[in-house]
Amino acid sequence: EAQVTQNPRYLITVTGKKLTVTCSQNMNHEYMSWYRQDPGLGLRQIYYSMNVEVTDKGDVPEGYKVSRKEKRNFPLILESPSPNQTSLYFCASSSLPRFEQFFGPGTRLTVL
Amino acid sequence: GDSVTQMEGPVTLSEEAFLTINCTYTATGYPSLFWYVQYPGEGLQLLLKATKADDKGSNKGFEATYRKETTSFHLEKGSVQVSDSAVYFCALSDFTGNQFYFGTGTSLTVIP
Repeated sequence: EAQVTQNPRYLITVTGKKLTVTCSQNMNHEYMSWYRQDPGLGLRQIYYSMNVEVTDKGDVPEGYKVSRKEKRNFPLILESPSPNQTSLYFCASSSLPRFEQFFGPGTRLTVL
Repeated sequence: GDSVTQMEGPVTLSEEAFLTINCTYTATGYPSLFWYVQYPGEGLQLLLKATKADDKGSNKGFEATYRKETTSFHLEKGSVQVSDSAVYFCALSDFTGNQFYFGTGTSLTVIP
């Protein structure tokens, strides 16, 4: 089944404790992206990647890191999480960004 | 910068009513335009898209026309069903095709 998977689905952590949210797709897509969803703000793009080793900042990259060492994986790293990063995070992939993006199920992160 | 503005919700309609959700955009060059739908507890799914002016996207009875003169991409459906209850997001990809901008989302509830 073609899908985008994210882990964990739910995470509660404390300020400053490094964490990684994994994202994997099995559709051989070139393009992958991370978004955060907050009430009243919709989805905002954090980072995107056009291909392996090619990443770029989206609208709200501060406090996040990404890497794209393999085509199928695009982890999101929070080196020192803060409470304002409490949010619902979505990973997405597509063959080309102008085409349909396939979204993962989301990761709900709470930073205390 | 690029942005999307969509109608505030929530919207509550009776079954078989006509639906319009307004969406306007600001963009440099020629963006692609999308409507995504999010059902409770799930990630976003592409509903329809249009890649150039005057294109009409359609799917599952929903339609939207890319209007460059009014910078709009309003979503319409002639007769909504209870199963259409969801959050609808208008989005654009910029002229490079790499960055995405989403509206704040419009929650639709359809009552029998």
